[in-house]
Amino acid sequence: GAGVSQSPRYKVAKRGQDVALRCDPISGHVSLFWYQQALGQGPEFLTYFQNEAQLDKSGLPSDRFFAERPEGSVSTLKIQRTQQEDSAVYLCASSLVGLRYEQYFGPGTRLTVT
Amino acid sequence: KNEVEQSPQNLTAQEGEFITINCSYSVGISALHWLQQHPGGGIVSLFMLSSGKKKHGRLIATINIQEKHSSLHITASHPRDSAVYICAVGPGGGADGLTFGKGTHLIIQP
Repeated sequence: GAGVSQSPRYKVAKRGQDVALRCDPISGHVSLFWYQQALGQGPEFLTYFQNEAQLDKSGLPSDRFFAERPEGSVSTLKIQRTQQEDSAVYLCASSLVGLRYEQYFGPGTRLTVT
Repeated sequence: KNEVEQSPQNLTAQEGEFITINCSYSVGISALHWLQQHPGGGIVSLFMLSSGKKKHGRLIATINIQEKHSSLHITASHPRDSAVYICAVGPGGGADGLTFGKGTHLIIQP
């Protein structure tokens, strides 16, 4: 069966550009999480959806970061006016429901801001 | 916010050795995850546990909820076990997502 997929796998953006990162969760998974992983660090939580509802966005580092999941399936993480400190791997994970079930991770999108 | 500490940060061992990686956290949780990440690769979930002990092949994970501590053991280690092993906990400490340790970089030499 298909796992979590993310696109693009690699993205190079010039400082100030807007980027959109896509996540396709496992079919039927209610919960979707976005994480940011800086080089050499563990991932850090960004935001969490249950179906189309964004239940927690406490990890989003600034108002330049915006995430949506309008139909409760595919999610998009958008970063406006990218800065060099936004360079990281952005990971998406999905689970059946919430944190009481195993999370399945996508391959990540490596964003480099030049 | 939950603080997750892993030790050691780096570990190099010879093939066949018994490996132990430790994880401690500061705030009560509902579950702890052990994850594996290969260089340039995605993250794979190895275990999710909330009490006791789980075993899968050569991997064993234990957790002590009272002491807020977990260990991941690898028996008869093999070079293909070389990867970064990450401990993650949640929920707890405010956010709904997992809180991750910085990872243990394991190298198994033949």
